[in-house]
Amino acid sequence: ILNVEQSPQSLHVQEGDSTNFTCSFPSSNFYALHWYRWETAKSPEALFVMTLNGDEKKKGRISATLNTKEGYSYLYIKGSQPEDSATYLCARSVYNQGGKLIFGQGTELSVKP
Amino acid sequence: EPEVTQTPSHQVTQMGQEVILRCVPISNHLYFYWYRQILGQKVEFLVSFYNNEISEKSEIFDDQFSVERPDGSNFTLKIRSTKLEDSAMYFCASSQRTDTQYFGPGTRLTVL
Repeated sequence: ILNVEQSPQSLHVQEGDSTNFTCSFPSSNFYALHWYRWETAKSPEALFVMTLNGDEKKKGRISATLNTKEGYSYLYIKGSQPEDSATYLCARSVYNQGGKLIFGQGTELSVKP
Repeated sequence: EPEVTQTPSHQVTQMGQEVILRCVPISNHLYFYWYRQILGQKVEFLVSFYNNEISEKSEIFDDQFSVERPDGSNFTLKIRSTKLEDSAMYFCASSQRTDTQYFGPGTRLTVL
């Protein structure tokens, strides 16, 4: 089973709050873990791709970590802004060179000014 | 910055009709995909396409579905005889020889 699960399903925070969400996945046959940011009516935007256990990646106020042995990844947003409001999707790929992505259900983040 | 485009943004059709969803992937990409999201459910993989042939397909991708890259720039998904349960947001994506897949904005298909 290759299910990817995300929690929480939704999150409401105040501007300036820091927040984090979780993506969990089976650790067997792991190749890569992807994070996307998806705003309504727009294309899902690729944030990070991580492949190695212990990987940490950062893009501005957003960062992510990866633990392939226990099968989880965290996404952190420092000092949330209203423009961070979106659905954050994680997905795993099983193999390289064009492998399909298996998505979680997403975490919907709402940041109130 | 190059992007994946999809047309139309919204398609309404009657059950049993054929629809063609169109995508223009990023020009130097080699791998192409279709995914869909039924309202309230996870984004799910349909098919991947490389070197002018299907490289993998899901159980959803039955004989009613087909893909084509007719002219080296467009990538199309055809549903021959639509069913009510085909109503979903359909996403096209493309990638180079890397892991990152770049998604289009989606086509919302409504089957009545």
